[in-house]
Amino acid sequence: DAGVTQSPTHLIKTRGQHVTLRCSPISGHKSVSWYQQVLGQGPQFIFQYYEKEERGRGNFPDRFSARQFPNYSSELNVNALLLGDSALYLCASSPLGKFDTQYFGPGTRLTVL
Amino acid sequence: AQSVSQHNHHVILSEAASLELGCNYSYGGTVNLFWYVQYPGQHLQLLLKYFSGDPLVKGIKGFEAEFIKSKFSFNLRKPSVQWSDTAEYFCAVTRTSGTYKYIFGTGTRLKVLA
Repeated sequence: DAGVTQSPTHLIKTRGQHVTLRCSPISGHKSVSWYQQVLGQGPQFIFQYYEKEERGRGNFPDRFSARQFPNYSSELNVNALLLGDSALYLCASSPLGKFDTQYFGPGTRLTVL
Repeated sequence: AQSVSQHNHHVILSEAASLELGCNYSYGGTVNLFWYVQYPGQHLQLLLKYFSGDPLVKGIKGFEAEFIKSKFSFNLRKPSVQWSDTAEYFCAVTRTSGTYKYIFGTGTRLKVLA
């Protein structure tokens, strides 16, 4: 079975631009979560979506938004990019909603210049 | 606010040495606890988890962890490490009720010398 896939792999943007990151969960998984991982730190929880509804949100500004589609894939959008948004963005899926084991994708490396 | 502390940021061991990585969390309610591992060049993956029951849980590759509720701790152990255990290890916590958040620690980078 295919694991969690994310696109693109790498991305370079400039300050003030907007970015969209995409994630496809493992087949049969209904929950998708997004994390930001800065070098030397653990993943920081951004959002969780289950059955197309937002079920959890971390301490991130409103510039960050996400959505989940009927096929359970998801997009993470970041507006008005700042240098500090440079990070590895991880997507994770799980079979159910809350509190479940997270199955991680390879991540999208975002560099903001 | 809910948080997870991993006190050892870098650990270097020789093969066959015993390993214990500390993890403490701050939350007074019921929690689910996880250890994830990231081997070089690979994705984060689950090592073991605790939801309820026996506080001593066993995971893959000979790892185990003990949940001590009174100490808010979930330390990871392995009696004898191998070179292939070289990786970064993350402890994570979720609450079992209320607003969903999945909180990771900052990670411990383990290097095992052959």
